[in-house]
Amino acid sequence: NAGVTQTPKFQVLKTGQSMTLQCAQDMNHEYMSWYRQDPGMGLRLIHYSVGAGITDQGEVPNGYNVSRSTTEDFPLRLLSAAPSQTSVYFCASSPPGQGGYTFGSGTRLTVV
Amino acid sequence: TQLLEQSPQFLSIQEGENLTVYCNSSSVFSSLQWYRQEPGEGPVLLVTVVTGGEVKKLKRLTFQFGDARKDSSLHITAAQPGDTGLYLCAGLNYGGSQGNLIFGKGTKLSVKP
Repeated sequence: NAGVTQTPKFQVLKTGQSMTLQCAQDMNHEYMSWYRQDPGMGLRLIHYSVGAGITDQGEVPNGYNVSRSTTEDFPLRLLSAAPSQTSVYFCASSPPGQGGYTFGSGTRLTVV
Repeated sequence: TQLLEQSPQFLSIQEGENLTVYCNSSSVFSSLQWYRQEPGEGPVLLVTVVTGGEVKKLKRLTFQFGDARKDSSLHITAAQPGDTGLYLCAGLNYGGSQGNLIFGKGTKLSVKP
């Protein structure tokens, strides 16, 4: 099992550019989430999904879009990148219940 | 927005010492999870506690969920350099969506040989 796979691992964008961070899981998990991690701020929830076709906003959703057309994939789209979006982004998935999340290894994004 | 406060923020100790990390909130949680993160990697789940007063042990690590389900602690006995990392607590709001997992800011532990 590959678990949670995130691509790319590193990305540099110019201000105003758009891009999609990819996330795929092969564990048939219903729940998937996107977090950003910044120094001193911990992990902050951007968007999450409780199943295909269902998404909801987390703590810091502005500037990001998500969709969940399949159970396996949960891409995160940056519509118009800003320097404030420079961060490390983590995707995570979980089965129903209290089992806890499996995280990907992250995407380090720099917006210049 | 509910908050999870972790303390201490940083901890530097010698190998063999004991330590406790705390995770506190004014909110009630249906469960609390503890993760460990190493540089350049994603967090890895250590344990989930669900019942108020629950105690779980994982080798030298002991996790406790407060009776009121508002706080949790992680105690490490005889710390080793391999325990070095960022320890994160995360909570699911009681009655809320399982997708809405909120993290504390973490405790950065350094264990020196």
